[in-house]
Amino acid sequence: KNEVEQSPQNLTAQEGEFITINCSYSVGISALHWLQQHPGGGIVSLFMLSSGKKKHGRLIATINIQEKHSSLHITASHPRDSAVYICAVRRETSGSRLTFGEGTQLTVNP
Amino acid sequence: EADIYQTPRYLVIGTGKKITLECSQTMGHDKMYWYQQDPGMELHLIHYSYGVNSTEKGDLSSESTVSRIRTEHFPLTLESARPSHTSQYLCARGGQGRNTEAFFGQGTRLTVV
Repeated sequence: KNEVEQSPQNLTAQEGEFITINCSYSVGISALHWLQQHPGGGIVSLFMLSSGKKKHGRLIATINIQEKHSSLHITASHPRDSAVYICAVRRETSGSRLTFGEGTQLTVNP
Repeated sequence: EADIYQTPRYLVIGTGKKITLECSQTMGHDKMYWYQQDPGMELHLIHYSYGVNSTEKGDLSSESTVSRIRTEHFPLTLESARPSHTSQYLCARGGQGRNTEAFFGQGTRLTVV
């Protein structure tokens, strides 16, 4: 079992829909990252969380440390949001190294 | 600004060739990382460095080697490329402090034929 599990693996939505991607982890962490990877392969860091909730534009990320769970929400989704969204955790015992989930492939249709 | 740069973006090379993937950053940060990502799969850490002359192997065994002679550069070398090395290689840097953002380069997509 992976230390970081994401669901769903694939998600197709219509433009304008509210989207939720979930991430569960099984280890103690010091921080959790949400990353976005476009088809060209480059990765952009969206959020880093250690508690609570963060918002940036149409993106919202929440984390519940006790339940070892995080969610990434996209409001009013748009085709340009189509990408792979990756959850990664910084384990308490591994310094600043990241452990990654398998990613969620999001496709938003017009 | 991510300020981390990788070259080349794409590389197609024959079996047995020696290759070096370049990664550089301009902000003088100590922590740098190399990740390998097969298509549709998660990223795996293959090497990391916490400063000059400090390199460690990551979670995934790799035949590649790295060096960190200067803070700005963290090149990855394959002495003899094989088709099994075909993958995407992503370089990243950390910031100052333990809990900081991760900044990634654009990646190098390597194909060994």
